[in-house]
Amino acid sequence: GQQLNQSPQSMFIQEGEDVSMNCTSSSIFNTWLWYKQDPGEGPVLLIALYKAGELTSNGRLTAQFGTTRKDSFLNISASIPSDVGIYFCAGHLHFPSGGSNYKLTFGKGTLLTVNP
Amino acid sequence: DVKVTQSSRYLVKRTGEKVFLECVQDMDHENMFWYRQDPGLGLRLIYFSYDVKMKEKGDIPEGYSVSREKKERFSLILESASTNQTSMYLCASSYPGQGFGNQPQHFGDGTRLSIL
Repeated sequence: GQQLNQSPQSMFIQEGEDVSMNCTSSSIFNTWLWYKQDPGEGPVLLIALYKAGELTSNGRLTAQFGTTRKDSFLNISASIPSDVGIYFCAGHLHFPSGGSNYKLTFGKGTLLTVNP
Repeated sequence: DVKVTQSSRYLVKRTGEKVFLECVQDMDHENMFWYRQDPGLGLRLIYFSYDVKMKEKGDIPEGYSVSREKKERFSLILESASTNQTSMYLCASSYPGQGFGNQPQHFGDGTRLSIL
C-alpha cells in the first residue's frame, strides 16, 4: 500500500518549545487527518481537514491542508511533557473519477520526546 | 464520543492455535477496519468491512480472516497463529463518507498479541 512521507521521524525538544512536522505525497488527497498515539494505546484523532488551504486549531495544535492537496503540516505550540508520543498523518486518496474510498493512507509517524 | 472497544489489551497464544480478536463500536458506524502495527512498518490494513457480512481484503490479508455478523462487531481471526503474527492489532471504525469529505477513523486501544 501507499505511504505518506512524514518528517521528521523523531524529535527531541525542551518543554516550552514549538514543534512542526509535515507529511507530503505525490498524490492528491481529499482529507488529511492527524492522530496522536501514546505508548501502549491506540491512535486518537487530533484534527481533521477537509478542504485545500484549511487551517484548523485544537488548543495548542494547529494543522493545515496544503493548497496543492499533496501535503499537510501540524504545529504544536509551547510543548508540555504530556505531548510525548507518536504523531501520525493520514489521508483519503482522491480518485480520478472524483471520489475516494474508505481506506486511509498513513505516514510512518513522528516520535516526539519532550524534556521537562 | 466514539467508543471502539477491543476485547483484550494483551494476549499470549501458541503457534498453531486459532485466535479470535474482537472489536465492538458504539456509534453505529458502517465501516470497520483491522490493522497491525509493527516498528518501522507503520499501520498496515489487514481487512475492512463496509457493511454487515461484507468484507474486503486490505494490504496484508494472508493468514487472517474476518467476520462481521452484526453492525457493531468486527472479529479478526488468525486461523493458525504463527510467530510472525506477533504484533499490535488495532481496530477502527468510521461512517461511510463517500466522495469528498471522508469521515475519520476512530481507533480502539489495541491488542498486543504474542505468539509463542
